[in-house]
Amino acid sequence: EVQLVQSGAEVKKPGESLRISCKGSGYSFTSYWIGWVRQVPGKGLEWMGIIYPGDSDTRYSPSFQGQVTISADKSISTAYLQWSSLKASDSAMYYCARHESGSWIDWGQGTLVTVSS
Amino acid sequence: QSALTQPASVSGSPGQSITISCTGTSSDVGGYNYVSWYQQHSGKAPKLMIYEVSNRPSGVSNRFSGSKSGNTASLTISGLQAEDEADYYCSSYTSSSASLFGGGTKLTVL
Repeated sequence: EVQLVQSGAEVKKPGESLRISCKGSGYSFTSYWIGWVRQVPGKGLEWMGIIYPGDSDTRYSPSFQGQVTISADKSISTAYLQWSSLKASDSAMYYCARHESGSWIDWGQGTLVTVSS
Repeated sequence: QSALTQPASVSGSPGQSITISCTGTSSDVGGYNYVSWYQQHSGKAPKLMIYEVSNRPSGVSNRFSGSKSGNTASLTISGLQAEDEADYYCSSYTSSSASLFGGGTKLTVL
């Protein structure tokens, strides 16, 4: 069974850094793209970026380029989403998802990030 | 890139059929057969319902079907059931090797 298990909810202050994680299991982690999707409470889904853990090829949505960093450690089948300086507007639910042939085929349970002073 | 265009809400009675549209451009929906649809119940992660325009993953009811004409894709749910009440999102691959979501449609089963 394919599973994507994300790290727990975070509460941070503006300006702090953060890295959240997504551990894949039940499939070949290096053979599928894995991406991140943001959902502000009450709003829609936004694609942030995607990484191919096999060679770390990474692509970003223009809306998120320079705002976040996506990485992966294939030795532990884990993808990461990182911020160097959080803003209140980064408060949202973040999902990781496995990607194939243009579709997000499996999803993590989501990580809620709250940024508040 | 602007989100794909979906109606904000649709509704139907149990047993009826509804269709949700998803309109893009020739650089996304119209240019590729990589349109997918997701169901999201309140407080839950999205779930893939349709991939590559009209294919259903294993385990998804055959009451769900997808199609595409030009720059508009559609999701049809037949034999509406109470459990179908959820938010639905379309997604498309784009010419810039990106992924684009629709704004989402809230389905209410009356």
